[in-house]
Amino acid sequence: SQTIHQWPATLVQPVGSPLSLECTVEGTSNPNLYWYRQAAGRGLQLLFYSVGIGQISSEVPQNLSASRPQDRQFILSSKKLLLSDSGFYLCAWSDNTEAFFGQGTRLTVV
Amino acid sequence: GIQVEQSPPDLILQEGANSTLRCNFSDSVNNLQWFHQNPWGQLINLFYIPSGTKQNGRLSATTVATERYSLLYISSSQTTDSGVYFCAVEASGTYKYIFGTGTRLKVLA
Repeated sequence: SQTIHQWPATLVQPVGSPLSLECTVEGTSNPNLYWYRQAAGRGLQLLFYSVGIGQISSEVPQNLSASRPQDRQFILSSKKLLLSDSGFYLCAWSDNTEAFFGQGTRLTVV
Repeated sequence: GIQVEQSPPDLILQEGANSTLRCNFSDSVNNLQWFHQNPWGQLINLFYIPSGTKQNGRLSATTVATERYSLLYISSSQTTDSGVYFCAVEASGTYKYIFGTGTRLKVLA
């Protein structure tokens, strides 16, 4: 069966520090991969999606970037975090039908 | 891009009551799902329902794709049903899952 791993679960980072969040999927090949962000008390905003290795589409211009170095690995990065980058980050995968989500990373920038 | 609106935004129920949550979308979709987000932030898949009707215990869902809406029914609500309910759609011709605005449900004992 397919599983999705996302880590870490929580993260506290100072302003100006770099960020790297990793997401991996097992049990499937060539999945569509997604990164979402949820601000406190708000909905889920699509940040990036990828339909294949090296193919990244950005939905919102911001301080973040994404990469897909391997088929089932999706990485969210920032060179310098801002206070406004705080939030709950969720990774997801789909096979062009149903989408499945990881457990999320709660990021607090201080 | 596609717009996804949910109603009502907030809902308070007494335990045992029934409710209907609605999701309207502005364009044709390939995929549609309903999720429950628990207090810890975890998104639980409730239904994958791009069209038709499905039931799972006390929950059921109906999507009328031609009229661009979906409904989630919760019967005999329990306090554990509390949380935020989201619908998410993938617009036809895209690979993007776009979330609705959510309905925050609170069930009182």
